[in-house]
Amino acid sequence: AQKITQTQPGMFVQEKEAVTLDCTYDTSDQSYGLFWYKQPSSGEMIFLIYQGSYDEQNATEGRYSLNFQKARKSANLVISASQLGDSAMYFCAMRELYTGANSKLTFGKGITLSVRP
Amino acid sequence: GAVVSQHPSRVICKSGTSVKIECRSLDFQATTMFWYRQFPKQSLMLMATSNEGSKATYEQGVEKDKFLINHASLTLSTLTVTSAHPEDSSFYICSARAGGGTVGQYFGPGTRLLVL
Repeated sequence: AQKITQTQPGMFVQEKEAVTLDCTYDTSDQSYGLFWYKQPSSGEMIFLIYQGSYDEQNATEGRYSLNFQKARKSANLVISASQLGDSAMYFCAMRELYTGANSKLTFGKGITLSVRP
Repeated sequence: GAVVSQHPSRVICKSGTSVKIECRSLDFQATTMFWYRQFPKQSLMLMATSNEGSKATYEQGVEKDKFLINHASLTLSTLTVTSAHPEDSSFYICSARAGGGTVGQYFGPGTRLLVL
């Protein structure tokens, strides 16, 4: 079984500063993918970044980067130069790869990020 | 990225009525679609997984007769909440994934259901 752990309480960051959102995972699968989604107050789940378990380099997408430490089973999201629009709930998720179309995403509880002006 | 639409975005209905929610993948063919339910300040709870042309697979504890799912085409899935009651009030989100080993899974904007 897969498990995602997000234990940080609500996070606060000053505008223009960087922030790290923690995510640890547990799985016995060899091939898996790690995802981060952003959910603003509107409710839409916005895909941010993806890291495959066999990817040797950390994923980056604009201001988002994923600090992937496979041995420690962590996949922290780093947001650089925070903006007020980054205030939202952030979910870490994972799923097994190459096991068929129905493999399911496992989500963490989420972290609320508030960006202060 | 891929776009998934969901309609309606918000619905208020009387207890006992049925409500249908549509989920469409606009620019890709969705081999698999997922339906989630989310309570305030909580994570997403998977309700069921559906593949085009076949019956949905429901998660444990989800009543299949209560939450009817139809995945009639590669771009459309519907969730019907039958005989809705106030406890069915929630935020429902669909998600879609293309086939062929595609990694990305994309979400619709969600539907807020309020049953009076």
